Amino acid sequence: DGGITQSPKYLFRKEGQNVTLSCEQNLNHDAMYWYRQDPGQGLRLIYYSQIVNDFQKGDIAEGYSVSREKKESFPLTVTSAQKNPTAFYLCASSSSVGGPEAFFGQGTRLTVV
Amino acid sequence: KQEVTQIPAALSVPEGENLVLNCSFTDSAIYNLQWFRQDPGKGLTSLLLIQSSQREQTSGRLNASLDKSSGRSTLYIAASQPGDSATYLCAVPTTSGTYKYIFGTGTRLKVLA
Repeated sequence: DGGITQSPKYLFRKEGQNVTLSCEQNLNHDAMYWYRQDPGQGLRLIYYSQIVNDFQKGDIAEGYSVSREKKESFPLTVTSAQKNPTAFYLCASSSSVGGPEAFFGQGTRLTVV
Repeated sequence: KQEVTQIPAALSVPEGENLVLNCSFTDSAIYNLQWFRQDPGKGLTSLLLIQSSQREQTSGRLNASLDKSSGRSTLYIAASQPGDSATYLCAVPTTSGTYKYIFGTGTRLKVLA
């Protein structure tokens, strides 16, 4: 089945640790995105990538890093510099041609303990 | 700068009612508009995608309309069921060279049995 797989579903981080969230897609999409969702604030864009080996900061990139070494993978690292990382993280992808439809994964809930 | 607004923020209705959810956007130069459903703790499921050249799209009991000139889209749910209870989000891609999605904050729907 084609789709986007995020792992893990739940992740716990201690203060000062870096953690990496996985996002894999088999839709052959060029574009991939990471969003953060907080209660009452909607979805906010962290990073996006239009092609392999290229990515751009979104609206709230501070404290996060990404890589795009393969078309199907777009991992997100939440660094210790992110002061309030507890949130629900969503990965998405779309083709980049002709008005793309976005597809989302099932999300990772990150909690700082 | 594109802004997307959804009204109402929450809605509670008895089973069987026909519903209208509203989505407004400030910049009418959009490529498309997409409606999503989100269940608690889950990712986003795409419901309908309306291209800028279309006036409406239908899928089962769902019908979405688009009026670019007025900056509005509506999602019509016919004969609502308790299983329709979820948060409904609309999103538009930016019209710059990269496809970023701007989301509304959603309408939280509860259908009572």
